[in-house]
Amino acid sequence: NAGVTQTPKFRILKIGQSMTLQCTQDMNHNYMYWYRQDPGMGLKLIYYSVGAGITDKGEVPNGYNVSRSTTEDFPLRLELAAPSQTSVYFCASSYGGSAEAFFGQGTRLTVV
Amino acid sequence: AQKVTQAQTEISVVEKEDVTLDCVYETRDTTYYLFWYKQPPSGELVFLIRRNSFDEQNEISGRYSWNFQKSTSSFNFTITASQVVDSAVYFCALKGHNTDKLIFGTGTRLQVFP
Repeated sequence: NAGVTQTPKFRILKIGQSMTLQCTQDMNHNYMYWYRQDPGMGLKLIYYSVGAGITDKGEVPNGYNVSRSTTEDFPLRLELAAPSQTSVYFCASSYGGSAEAFFGQGTRLTVV
Repeated sequence: AQKVTQAQTEISVVEKEDVTLDCVYETRDTTYYLFWYKQPPSGELVFLIRRNSFDEQNEISGRYSWNFQKSTSSFNFTITASQVVDSAVYFCALKGHNTDKLIFGTGTRLQVFP
């Protein structure tokens, strides 16, 4: 049972480039979340989804897009990367909104 | 709006000391859920506990205990007889029943010295 899997683990982007952070879970969870964690800071919610075909903005959605075409996958798209998007990105999923969330290992992204 | 405040940025203790990590929350929902997570130096996020708003019983799990007080909107976490392996960043999180956002506090970094 893999849980929540994020790829890649590390990535360096140049300013203005785009990329997609992949997140997949095999627990049949309906809720999925994307967070960013800046150095020495807490987790900020970027986007979340309560089921396939449904997404909504979190606290810091600017500069990002998501899609949820299947229950398992919740990719995060960065368009026109900026240095301010340098961060560690975590994907999480939960079985319902009241249950605990399970997190992936994170993706460390540096924009130079 | 939802908010979680962890006022203690960093705490340092010597092994075997007891330590309490504070968490204060705000929500308009009458039903909500509170969580604690641990982030060790390796970086992963480890779930510790979940608490419903309608269950105010305190909980103990080994050296860990949690004190939930609705009257003060607090959900504090105590580690008894701390150990070096407890060194980590600890996050408190909140989700209201009527919102789908799981919101985290800024975390408290705990350093336990031998």
